[in-house]
Amino acid sequence: GQSLEQPSEVTAVEGAIVQINCTYQTSGFYGLSWYQQHDGGAPTFLSYNALDGLEETGRFSSFLSRSDSYGYLLLQELQMKDSASYFCAVRDRNTGGFKTIFGAGTRLFVKA
Amino acid sequence: EAGVAQSPRYKIIEKRQSVAFWCNPISGHATLYWYQQILGQGPKLLIQFQNNGVVDDSQLPKDRFSAERLKGVDSTLKIQPAKLEDSAVYLCASFEQGNYEQYFGPGTRLTVT
Repeated sequence: GQSLEQPSEVTAVEGAIVQINCTYQTSGFYGLSWYQQHDGGAPTFLSYNALDGLEETGRFSSFLSRSDSYGYLLLQELQMKDSASYFCAVRDRNTGGFKTIFGAGTRLFVKA
Repeated sequence: EAGVAQSPRYKIIEKRQSVAFWCNPISGHATLYWYQQILGQGPKLLIQFQNNGVVDDSQLPKDRFSAERLKGVDSTLKIQPAKLEDSAVYLCASFEQGNYEQYFGPGTRLTVT
């Protein structure tokens, strides 16, 4: 079967750095994505890692270790607007191509 | 470019009634997904289309849910009859081959009373 685990909640202060971890178990792993979702909004894409290592996009970075079935999202210089839910999602092979399996999400609270 | 469109945005129905949701993906995106997102959980894939063909519907409760994408463009998802546990946000997303990003619509928030 397929499963993803990530913490349910994380709290940090404005300007700080926070890391959201994700471990996964899947049969046809191709890559790990991260999505952000504000309350009442739609998920929006943040990053994708297919290979081991760190990908940086502005204040956000994402890391993948395929051998450890582990990844994380790193948010730097936290801002109040970063308060949202963050989902790791595995890109997995299915009969017609690829599908994405989402974790339960980590709710990030940024405090002043 | 225009994003993924969904309607209605909100729907309230009584249990055992039927409901339909509509999605128009980004032009040229061959892959279309319907997800169910229950409050506090991640999106759960219901069905995946590639053009007008079903690729994966393994988690679709086929006794009450149906979906179609007749011309390979827009899609409808239907629930008949609805149950209380169907209360959720139904998200449509589209995907372009060779890319990694799924583009989500604003969703339809369904409340079953």
